[in-house]
Amino acid sequence: AQSVTQLDSHVSVSEGTPVLLRCNYSSSYSPSLFWYVQHPNKGLQLLLKYTSAATLVKGINGFEAEFKKSETSFHLTKPSAHMSDAAEYFCARRGGYALNFGKGTSLLVTP
Amino acid sequence: DTAVSQTPKYLVTQMGNDKSIKCEQNLGHDTMYWYKQDSKKFLKIMFSYNNKELIINETVPNRFSPKSPDKAHLNLHINSLELGDSAVYFCASSPSEGGGFFETQYFGPGTRLLVL
Repeated sequence: AQSVTQLDSHVSVSEGTPVLLRCNYSSSYSPSLFWYVQHPNKGLQLLLKYTSAATLVKGINGFEAEFKKSETSFHLTKPSAHMSDAAEYFCARRGGYALNFGKGTSLLVTP
Repeated sequence: DTAVSQTPKYLVTQMGNDKSIKCEQNLGHDTMYWYKQDSKKFLKIMFSYNNKELIINETVPNRFSPKSPDKAHLNLHINSLELGDSAVYFCASSPSEGGGFFETQYFGPGTRLLVL
């Protein structure tokens, strides 16, 4: 199965410090990878996606992710966390027509 | 100018009842999906329709029946609701069939179903 694994179920950072949310994918020829964010009681919003055009992908709200084929990783980063970044983050991979999601990482941002 | 909308947003009902959740997209997309998010926030595909035709039907109890009257709508009907059906149900849409391997799926706000 074409799957993704999110390595941390919870991440806690202080406001203003860097954010790192980790995602590994099962090896395949050319994955299609996405990061979505879900704020409490809201729907999923696309942060960014890997389209094979560039290994460093920039998304909304200052987030970016780097595709590393040698490590089968697509980790999400942000240089400086903001309180409004507190949310659930999902890494996903295209599998056929549907998206296969990781189990999510809950990001807590403390003042 | 909502892209993908769902009604109702919240649904509280008794076991054994039958209920429907509606989804509409105004993006002109060809493909629509239903995902289920369980209490541990795990998201899993249930169904997908492309131009009103079923293209994905995962292992879901046959109490769940999707219906697509036109390509802008995908409704989910659930018969004989059970406690385990309590979850958040998300509708999504994307531009074309399989398409764009890299194409984005756009999600609705979710319907929070609680079965008592």
